[in-house]
Amino acid sequence: KQEVTQIPAALSVPEGENLVLNCSFTDSAIYNLQWFRQDPGKGLTSLLLIQSSQREQTSGRLNASLDKSSGRSTLYIAASQPGDSATYLCAVTSARLTFGEGTQLTVNP
Amino acid sequence: GAVVSQHPSRVICKSGTSVKIECRSLDFQATTMFWYRQFPKQSLMLMATSNEGSKATYEQGVEKDKFLINHASLTLSTLTVTSAHPEDSSFYICSASRLATNTGELFFGEGSRLTVL
Repeated sequence: KQEVTQIPAALSVPEGENLVLNCSFTDSAIYNLQWFRQDPGKGLTSLLLIQSSQREQTSGRLNASLDKSSGRSTLYIAASQPGDSATYLCAVTSARLTFGEGTQLTVNP
Repeated sequence: GAVVSQHPSRVICKSGTSVKIECRSLDFQATTMFWYRQFPKQSLMLMATSNEGSKATYEQGVEKDKFLINHASLTLSTLTVTSAHPEDSSFYICSASRLATNTGELFFGEGSRLTVL
């Protein structure tokens, strides 16, 4: 059974800081891994999708990496802004889609 | 990016009534849609996988007679919470996978918050 863990559960940083969110999974036989953002009371917004054959994806200030052999993915956010404050979820597709519990990020002005 | 729309975004109903939530893919076709439930401060829990033209596949522990799912077209899936009770109050989210690209990327609706009095 796939298990997805996100560390830390919560993170508070000053504006402008670069930060890394971590996601680990127990079964390396995955099809893809996706990072999402969720604002309070809202649905999920897809940030980055990494296929199993890829090692990283970039979009603007976001960079996601994937290391299947170690069962890890990181989401790097450069020059963080208050508008980045949200909960970030990673989800792994193997036999099914499994979500992590999320990292609640607060960027302070 | 692809757009998935859910309606209604908020609904309050009396205990014992039924509530229908719609999930539409606005600019793409989706043979498969997924329904999730989210409790406060928790991650999403998959309830069922909805396939166009066939019966939905429910996750273990999800009552299929309580949560009726219909996927009548390539752009619409509905979730009906029948005889709702206060413990059904939750945030329900749908997602869809775009048929054409087959990347496995999922697009999510904005969610529907159900409150059962």
